[in-house]
Amino acid sequence: DADVTQTPRNRITKTGKRIMLECSQTKGHDRMYWYRQDPGLGLRLIYYSFDVKDINKGEISDGYSVSRQAQAKFSLSLESAIPNQTALYFCATSDFSAGYSEQFFGPGTRLTVL
Amino acid sequence: KNEVEQSPQNLTAQEGEFITINCSYSVGISALHWLQQHPGGGIVSLFMLSSGKKKHGRLIATINIQEKHSSLHITASHPRDSAVYICAVYKGAQKLVFGQGTRLTINP
Repeated sequence: DADVTQTPRNRITKTGKRIMLECSQTKGHDRMYWYRQDPGLGLRLIYYSFDVKDINKGEISDGYSVSRQAQAKFSLSLESAIPNQTALYFCATSDFSAGYSEQFFGPGTRLTVL
Repeated sequence: KNEVEQSPQNLTAQEGEFITINCSYSVGISALHWLQQHPGGGIVSLFMLSSGKKKHGRLIATINIQEKHSSLHITASHPRDSAVYICAVYKGAQKLVFGQGTRLTINP
């Protein structure tokens, strides 16, 4: 089984709908991240969480919210989806350390907002 | 200007060729991450390094902290190496800043 899973893998929705993307991990990592990827652009950080009680905005958090329900679960919500939120969304995890550590990515969720 | 720049953006080569992908960054970093994104979209970690050189199979990654530059080399390239290769740097607090990626195509 995959260490980092995302559901759904694909989603088509309409403008104005509320959408939740879910991420679960079995790696036992404290740190979790949400990124979006757009064609021609690098991955950009939406939100990150260093533990269950810690939530931080990334560079493009407007229009998104998150919930860290448990160490293993980190959900991303689009309260009112708009077409420019059409993108590939990735969840990632990393282990706690004093410095830095490798990030492990989920398979991605392809979201289309019509 | 992006903080992380990769070159080339696209690279097509024949099977067996030696491949080099470059990454330059303009900020102070604690470490650098090389990632591979498969055609299906999944992202896999290849290397993380803060100095010197690392090797895994046919892949070699080097970093020069003074010159703010890293290279990813692939020896004896194979069509299955076709993917997007992404460079990312840690600016601190475990937040990554990503390059735009290099799309590599290896023809048989």
